Amino acid sequence: DAEITQSPRHKITETGRQVTLACHQTWNHNNMFWYRQDLGHGLRLIHYSYGVHDTNKGEVSDGYSVSRSNTEDLPLTLESAASSQTSVYFCASSVQPYNTEAFFGQGTRLTVV
Amino acid sequence: GESVGLHLPTLSVQEGDNSIINCAYSNSASDYFIWYKQESGKGPQFIIDIRSNMDKRQGQRVTVLLNKTVKHLSLQIAATQPGDSAVYFCAETDSSYKLIFGSGTRLLVRP
Repeated sequence: DAEITQSPRHKITETGRQVTLACHQTWNHNNMFWYRQDLGHGLRLIHYSYGVHDTNKGEVSDGYSVSRSNTEDLPLTLESAASSQTSVYFCASSVQPYNTEAFFGQGTRLTVV
Repeated sequence: GESVGLHLPTLSVQEGDNSIINCAYSNSASDYFIWYKQESGKGPQFIIDIRSNMDKRQGQRVTVLLNKTVKHLSLQIAATQPGDSAVYFCAETDSSYKLIFGSGTRLLVRP
């Protein structure tokens, strides 16, 4: 069955280190998204992509970057991890042009110490 | 799976009763409004959407109502079941079809 997977599921890293969270989908969806979920803020959009070599900033993109070299993967990189980036990160993908039905991964819990 | 213990408003209903979850939105230009369900330890899951030119849409046991005059969206769940216990998020797509999430509501179903 087609799916979307995130790795690692849990990560502890130190302040200042570069961290990359992986997201891989097998639906061949053009649209992919990264969100973070925090207490009191719900899901906030970090970056998104509508196809290979396309990347766009979301509402909380500072300190994060993404690249889209193929359809299946959208890795999220924290250039220099900060304690404020401790969160649960969700990746999602969608095939519709309107993106109402997005399929989410299981999430990655990142702790920056 | 992952989830966060959000400090959310909570709706507690008796099993078998109908549930109504409400959401206020701010962007009048949104094209679609959507409801997602997030169970503990999992990512959000699509429930139903409604286009901005509609005021009601029904699915299986769920109905979404859109009141553009007061910028209000609601999700009605008929005959609520224990499996409906989750956090429910409203969302919308903006002019570039980014999926933007609103606040969540925790639904607890009492046996």
